[in-house]
Amino acid sequence: AQSVSQHNHHVILSEAASLELGCNYSYGGTVNLFWYVQYPGQHLQLLLKYFSGDPLVKGIKGFEAEFIKSKFSFNLRKPSVQWSDTAEYFCAVKILSYNTDKLIFGTGTRLQVFP
Amino acid sequence: DGGITQSPKYLFRKEGQNVTLSCEQNLNHDAMYWYRQDPGQGLRLIYYSQIVNDFQKGDIAEGYSVSREKKESFPLTVTSAQKNPTAFYLCASRKQQEDIQYFGAGTRLSVL
Repeated sequence: AQSVSQHNHHVILSEAASLELGCNYSYGGTVNLFWYVQYPGQHLQLLLKYFSGDPLVKGIKGFEAEFIKSKFSFNLRKPSVQWSDTAEYFCAVKILSYNTDKLIFGTGTRLQVFP
Repeated sequence: DGGITQSPKYLFRKEGQNVTLSCEQNLNHDAMYWYRQDPGQGLRLIYYSQIVNDFQKGDIAEGYSVSREKKESFPLTVTSAQKNPTAFYLCASRKQQEDIQYFGAGTRLSVL
């Protein structure tokens, strides 16, 4: 079965530290890739997405992600985190060649940022 | 105010009881989805519907049922056959030709 792996389950950082959250998926064909964020008490919202083109995509709040096809990866990065980035982050993949309309989510990474 | 409204925010189920979670959207989106979120397991797809009067099972449909009689509404029933219903349930919708899902605030279901 196709899967999405987020290896970092819980990350703790101090403000101004750099962030990189890993995301790998197990499918060799064409995919759409997403990062969603769930702030405490808020609904899940889209952080950024990759459909095609430039593999380095920029999202909201200074986040960016790089699609590396050869590594089946779509890692999320931010040069300098803030306390307000404390949230749970989910990577998701949609396999375009499958005749199904579904996103496959990773298990999530909980990020805690301390002042 | 456009968006996806899930109700109630909290729901308690007694043993052997069916409960229905509401999801309404006024975004004119065609597709709607139900996910279950458990700690450490991410989101898992229960059911989805791409058009009115049609829906498909997701990865964990057993013990759940849905209907899609109106474009705006996609209620989820958690039946007594679902033996472990305690979870956070998220509804999402997507506009045709746009591959982005938008999520509601969720319903937290607990068993008494």
